Amino acid sequence: GQQLNQSPQSMFIQEGEDVSMNCTSSSIFNTWLWYKQDPGEGPVLLIALYKAGELTSNGRLTAQFGITRKDSFLNISASIPSDVGIYFCAGQPPPTGANSKLTFGKGITLSVRP
Amino acid sequence: NAGVMQNPRHLVRRRGQEARLRCSPMKGHSHVYWYRQLPEEGLKFMVYLQKENIIDESGMPKERFSAEFPKEGPSILRIQQVVRGDSAAYFCASSRDWMNTEAFFGQGTRLTVV
Repeated sequence: GQQLNQSPQSMFIQEGEDVSMNCTSSSIFNTWLWYKQDPGEGPVLLIALYKAGELTSNGRLTAQFGITRKDSFLNISASIPSDVGIYFCAGQPPPTGANSKLTFGKGITLSVRP
Repeated sequence: NAGVMQNPRHLVRRRGQEARLRCSPMKGHSHVYWYRQLPEEGLKFMVYLQKENIIDESGMPKERFSAEFPKEGPSILRIQQVVRGDSAAYFCASSRDWMNTEAFFGQGTRLTVV
């Protein structure tokens, strides 16, 4: 089945720094989604991407849908302490009938040092 | 506009008991997805339901697990004869259409089997 690869498992940055996270797949996805999960909470949708090459921003967050449709990246600029959390990428493959479930990466845990 | 509501937030069961997890989707959403998350893991798809129909249960264990989404009321994920390995966070997501685009998650139910 489809797998999404996110690495490294953890990232440590200084407050104010920018950080970039990548998500890759061996197969094509039609949609890429980025979620953030705080401890004890459910994932919250940050950005959704629908077209290859698309670049979308949401405040200090910017994400791009790779041209090959096999990768996506998320940038966080000028990090702040509340950016701490686990960042998941999720992809939706080309539809096969009514089956279009999301596949999730394992997530990257981001720590921000004050 | 309430989000996806899951209850209970925390559930403790002894081995051999039954666990029932409930999920009420967002208003206007008729598609529900259940995911399981183990510590330091991503979310693993379990089952996709529409009202009164199971569309995709390819991620569900063949035994002891079942799910339903009746015409009236919440979606239920039922685990019979729980074992320690069932301990995990179970998340429900809902979307407006079958494309699963922009699925929104609940806060999860943390099941602990003792």
